[in-house]
Amino acid sequence: QITLRESGPTLVTPTETLTLTCTFSGFSLNTRGVNVGWIRQPPGKALEWLGVIYWNDDKRYSPSLKSRLSITTDTSKNHVVLTMTNMDPVDTATYYCAHGTLYYEFWSGYDDNCFDPWGQGILVIVSS
Amino acid sequence: QAVLTQPSSLSASPGASASLTCTLRSDINVETFRIYWFQQRPGSPPQYLLRYRSDSDKQQASGVPSRFSGLKDASANAGILVISGLQSEDEAEYYCMIWHNSAGVFGGGTKLTVL
Repeated sequence: QITLRESGPTLVTPTETLTLTCTFSGFSLNTRGVNVGWIRQPPGKALEWLGVIYWNDDKRYSPSLKSRLSITTDTSKNHVVLTMTNMDPVDTATYYCAHGTLYYEFWSGYDDNCFDPWGQGILVIVSS
Repeated sequence: QAVLTQPSSLSASPGASASLTCTLRSDINVETFRIYWFQQRPGSPPQYLLRYRSDSDKQQASGVPSRFSGLKDASANAGILVISGLQSEDEAEYYCMIWHNSAGVFGGGTKLTVL
């Protein structure tokens, strides 16, 4: 059974750097095609994809947030860490991590990713 | 213009069918993409329902009833989530997602009310 759990501060002050940890079990980030994604959801609003880290340590980020985001994993690859700099009240949201499976078509170059399952999420409030 | 556009709300009666649309921006051809659908009930994380690209390339998530299905409307450049035999428990927010330029993109979500 795959499980993921987000942890970190629930209150950060503006301009501070947010660091969230996704602790997972039931899969290995050493397995080809496996990845962990981060998605956030402001209160009452839609989901927003933030980024992903792949089994081969490749990373992709939302173009609009790329300059502020970093996703890393530790050497044991049992945790994935999301870092977001210069936090602002508009970054108040529930932050989710999710298990991903990469799909790639060699003949067309088409790729996509399925996020399933997701962690329960952590609400991060940005306020002074 | 947003990459994916979903109507903000939809209402339907118990037992009826509901079609939730996810319209792709005009420069992105729906035929190319797998459309992923997620259900989110209040206070819970999103749950993967299914993906649909074509009748030969589709997947139902484990445990998701067959009354949830995917379609495409090429003329509208849209993916469609069809829920038949609506039940009260289907009342939720539904999000579509595609993978575009190696990045995930979500639609704005549709709040489905069953009344």
